[in-house]
Amino acid sequence: EDQVTQSPEALRLQEGESSSLNCSYTVSGLRGLFWYRQDPGKGPEFLFTLYSAGEEKEKERLKATLTKKESFLHITAPKPEDSATYLCASSGYSSASKIIFGSGTRLSIRP
Amino acid sequence: NAGVTQTPKFQVLKTGQSMTLQCAQDMNHNSMYWYRQDPGMGLRLIYYSASEGTTDKGEVPNGYNVSRLNKREFSLRLESAAPSQTSVYFCASSGGGQASSYEQYFGPGTRLTVT
Repeated sequence: EDQVTQSPEALRLQEGESSSLNCSYTVSGLRGLFWYRQDPGKGPEFLFTLYSAGEEKEKERLKATLTKKESFLHITAPKPEDSATYLCASSGYSSASKIIFGSGTRLSIRP
Repeated sequence: NAGVTQTPKFQVLKTGQSMTLQCAQDMNHNSMYWYRQDPGMGLRLIYYSASEGTTDKGEVPNGYNVSRLNKREFSLRLESAAPSQTSVYFCASSGGGQASSYEQYFGPGTRLTVT
């Protein structure tokens, strides 16, 4: 059964303190690994898609990487405005057009 | 280009009442989805429509029905609301077909309380 597990559940960092969020996935035939950002009271906002192991994508202070079993979202020198819940999701060839979401990591950046 | 829109934004129902949540997208996407999000449970798929004219059950379909009215619109109906259906409901759409088209784009959500 396809599954996505994120850790940690919550992470508090000081402004400027870099760290990484982890996403472990089990899927038969990965079609795509997705990262989303969700602010309180809003819908998830798409950030990245990764398709194959070794792939990396960057956007401002965020960089997403992918291995055959995990994806990491690296946050470099974060600012308070990076505080949000970050969701990871995977899509496999066996799951048609559905994607499976992890339960998210709540990131809080203190000034 | 509004993306995915949902109405209403907030709703309070009494147990046993019915209502329809509306969703529309203007990105010419083939696939549309309804999720519910509860604290500690993450996003759970209720129903989805891979293409116009088709609908399929997701992880938690009981108590809900859907209609894919046309390519743009996908509605979710609660026939007899129960307190367990208190949640935040999100509609999403994706292009489908090509690999890059499986990215889903979400609406702002409907916050539903059933008393």
